[in-house]
This record gives sequence, structure tokens and C-alpha cells, in this order.
Amino acid sequence: AQSVTQLDSHVSVSEGTPVLLRCNYSSSYSPSLFWYVQHPNKGLQLLLKYTSAATLVKGINGFEAEFKKSETSFHLTKPSAHMSDAAEYFCVVRGGNTGTASKLTFGTGTRLQVTL
Amino acid sequence: DAGVIQSPRHEVTEMGQEVTLRCKPISGHNSLFWYRQTMMRGLELLIYFNNNVPIDDSGMPEDRFSAKMPNASFSTLKIQPSEPRDSAVYFCASSFWGARYTEAFFGQGTRLTVV
Repeated sequence: AQSVTQLDSHVSVSEGTPVLLRCNYSSSYSPSLFWYVQHPNKGLQLLLKYTSAATLVKGINGFEAEFKKSETSFHLTKPSAHMSDAAEYFCVVRGGNTGTASKLTFGTGTRLQVTL
Repeated sequence: DAGVIQSPRHEVTEMGQEVTLRCKPISGHNSLFWYRQTMMRGLELLIYFNNNVPIDDSGMPEDRFSAKMPNASFSTLKIQPSEPRDSAVYFCASSFWGARYTEAFFGQGTRLTVV
């Protein structure tokens, strides 16, 4: 079985300050991990994905995430928040045995608020 | 490629009516997912297909919901009869499963309102 836990349902930061959105995963097999973003009344867009080539993954719009197997974490960070980053962020795990290997499991989401 | 295409974008229907949501996945993709999103329950996986075969439909809320994938380029999600509590945004997503790290691509969603 696989699961993902987003530790914060809501995060508020000031514009220009760092962003940290936390995600822990559980998987019986080596997982694939993703972060998606959803702006209000929009669909889901891929921010970045873990491919095992490097533990530090860079995505779009200055976001990056670090895969830490020992901590089963895949936290999303950005050095400096912008107002346009305000959105809902989802951590996603994919992987498992043959029957469920393609299943995507979403976290409950973290709403990022950016204030002036 | 135009991406995952869902239709209609918006649907308003009366309680008791049949509703059919449609999805065209990205060409070449062999996995397809149906999700439902509400404020109360967040994003829920309803069902997913691999190579047109339903793999896991444990998320389908009840017998009023059914999904089909008659071929690799088309899927439907049907609700019959519809109820107000089915009001939600329904997303379809597709991906290629074969390479472990392939992401899913989402459609723009269908906003369903049952009155």
C-alpha cells in the first residue's frame, strides 16, 4: 500500500520569504513522487517529479524538492515567494506492486497563501 | 497534442437525470484516471484503467456511478440518477505506464451542478 501525508493544510508566507510545504510518503516499493499545483478554478499542473537521477529535483517557477529516503520525505521549497504562487499544492506518490503500480495517490493538499 | 480533453466543461442538471462526462486521453497513454474534487472531501480517485481495463474502482461512491473505456482514446463516467451531492468538479487524467516516473496529465475538469 502507498500513502502520502501533507503535514500542513494551510501555509501563509509573506512575499519574498521562503516557502516550505511538507510531504511524507509511504510505499512498499521505490516510489515515483510528484508535486502538482492547482490555481483557483483551474486544473492540476505538474510542478516537478522525482526520477531517482538526483535527490534534489528542480521544477517550474523556481520550486524544488528534495527526496530523502531515510526520512520518507519529499518537501517542496522555494527561496522567495511571489504573489502568483498562491494556490493549492498536492504531493503525489505513484508505485506499488504490479497490480497497483500505476495508481496515483494524492495528499490532501496544502493551501499556500502569500501576503504583501 | 491538445492534452487531455474533457467535455462538457460545465454541466447543470436536475436531480434524477442521467449525466455523462467524457474524456479523451493523450494519444499513446495507457493509463486513465477519473477524480472528483469537492471542498469537503478534496480530490478523490474514483476509478482508473490500464490498457482500457478497470484496475481499481473502489473509489466509485455507489452503483449510480459507472465508468467505461471502450477504446484507448475515449472514456466516459456516467451518473444515473444524479443527486445534488454529486455536485463537484470531475477530472480526467492520463499517463503512460511502463516507465516508472511518468507523470499524469490532467484535463481542465467538468464542473457538475445537480439542482
